[in-house]
Amino acid sequence: EAGVTQFPSHSVIEKGQTVTLRCDPISGHDNLYWYRRVMGKEIKFLLHFVKESKQDESGMPNNRFLAERTGGTYSTLKVQPAELEDSGVYFCASSGRAPSEQYFGPGTRLTVT
Amino acid sequence: RKEVEQDPGPFNVPEGATVAFNCTYSNSASQSFFWYRQDCRKEPKLLMSVYSSGNEDGRFTAQLNRASQYISLLIRDSKLSDSATYLCVVGLTGGGNKLTFGTGTQLKVEL
Repeated sequence: EAGVTQFPSHSVIEKGQTVTLRCDPISGHDNLYWYRRVMGKEIKFLLHFVKESKQDESGMPNNRFLAERTGGTYSTLKVQPAELEDSGVYFCASSGRAPSEQYFGPGTRLTVT
Repeated sequence: RKEVEQDPGPFNVPEGATVAFNCTYSNSASQSFFWYRQDCRKEPKLLMSVYSSGNEDGRFTAQLNRASQYISLLIRDSKLSDSATYLCVVGLTGGGNKLTFGTGTQLKVEL
């Protein structure tokens, strides 16, 4: 069974540009989560989808971040415009019927210069 | 105060040693508890869930004390391949499960 996949694996952009990250969850998993780890800090929750609906977006830092999950399959996280403090590793995770057991993708390492 | 506190380490131990990690969490409403393992520049991988009765998976034993809001992980007969960062993770269930992570404890197992 394929795991959670994320694209791209790395992205280097300049401040003010736009970047879109993609996550494909494990097939059949209704729950999809985005997390972020900035340098030297712990991994932090951004938001949670159940199918195509946002269940909890309490961790989204500000309105420069937009997450979507049209059709309840893959999800995108867009950062527009990117700022230096957005640099970090963005992880996606998914879970099935046991919502607590989340399986993580390899992450997208974002560098904003 | 961090929501999940862990000793960052590193813990440097010889192969075959027993090592214990501890973690405390601040939100008494937390309902689910986990240990994840993260290798350098990789994603976190679920090592084991932690239950109130304590649970064991091979060389790994996890304990939870809800009254003290304390979680532990014991690794027996440590192997070189156990070298990684161990993340204490806590979740709130009920409609979703936002996970809260500790900063992780780094373990280095040496010959």
